[in-house]
Parts: sequence; structure tokens; C-alpha cells
Amino acid sequence: DGGITQSPKYLFRKEGQNVTLSCEQNLNHDAMYWYRQDPGQGLRLIYYSQIVNDFQKGDIAEGYSVSREKKESFPLTVTSAQKNPTAFYLCASSDLYEQYFGPGTRLTVT
Amino acid sequence: QKEVEQNSGPLSVPEGAIASLNCTYSDRVSQSFFWYRQYSGKSPELIMSIYSNGDKEDGRFTAQLNKASQYVSLLIRDSQPSDSATYLCAVNIRNGQNFVFGPGTRLSVLP
Repeated sequence: DGGITQSPKYLFRKEGQNVTLSCEQNLNHDAMYWYRQDPGQGLRLIYYSQIVNDFQKGDIAEGYSVSREKKESFPLTVTSAQKNPTAFYLCASSDLYEQYFGPGTRLTVT
Repeated sequence: QKEVEQNSGPLSVPEGAIASLNCTYSDRVSQSFFWYRQYSGKSPELIMSIYSNGDKEDGRFTAQLNKASQYVSLLIRDSQPSDSATYLCAVNIRNGQNFVFGPGTRLSVLP
């Protein structure tokens, strides 16, 4: 089955720890994205990558980092510098026309 | 002015009625338009794409695009309680890989 997988589904961390969220796709899409969604809010773009070994900051990149070493993978690290990391994190990928989302990772930091 | 605007709702319709969801966008050169459905606690699911002026129908869903008015809508016929969700409008700016999302409209279909 083609699709986007994110792991884990739920993640709990203590404040001050870095945490890495996984995103893998087998749709052969060039572009991949990370969004953050807070309760009752819309999507906010964190980072995106249009090609391997290249990525750009989105609207809320502070406190986050990414890498794109393989076409299929786009992991997101939430660093201790991110002031309010508790949120629902969504990974997406696209061809030139349509964007599809993974199931999301719900991160809780206490 | 926000790039993609939607009424936040909630929009409430009775079961069996037509639900009408609206979206306006600011960039005149936008090429592609999308509707996503997002159930509470889940990720967005692409339900309709539309690229040219006019109507596009898929089952109970009809997307309508008017580029001159910079307006795109989604009609859901014979609304069901299972259609209760937040509907996100998205625009692909300049046919690249740059997607801009509206804030979403929450739809509630009442049995």
C-alpha cells in the first residue's frame, strides 16, 4: 500500500528533552512537509523540503530542526528551545498537484 | 489580508440537507484548489481537487470554482451525521509545491 507513515502515534516527553518524530513515504513524492496543529486551530507550516538534501523554514521553524537525507524520509526534531511543544504534528508529501497527510503524532511535553 | 479565508463555523445543518462550505483566496495566480475533511483527532483527508472554473462532482460532493471571484466552495448533498467534521480549504500557489490552508470550517450534521 502506498502512503505516509508517522511514528509514534503518541509521544510523551519531559521538558528540556529533544525528541525526533519519524515520517516515511512510499509515494515517490519529491516534496515533504511538517505542520503543527494546536487544539481548535488550523495548520501551521514548520518546515518543507522539495528535494533531497534541501529544506526551507516555514512560518514557525524556531525550536525545530529537520533533515532530508533520503527521498522517503523527513524526520522532525523538536528541540528543548521550542517553548510550547505540546501539539499534534502532521507530516505530508506532495507531487506537483496534490498533498497527502500521514496519520499524525500527538506530542505531549510535561 | 489572509491568503485563504473560511468561515470558522460551526455550520449546523439537519440530516439530509445540503451543506455549503465557502472559501476565498487572495492570490489571483493560484492554480489548484483542494478540500480536506478532518475528523476530530485525525489527520486531514483529501476529498476533492479542482483545477478549472466550474463544477466538479464526486458522489455527494460538488466543488465549485470561480477564479474571477477568487472563490471556491464545497457542497455536500444529503448530509449525514458522519459528515460532521472540520473542512479545510487549501490552495496551491503558482502550481508549485506551496500549499496554503484556510483555518477550516466546522460542520455539524444534526440527526
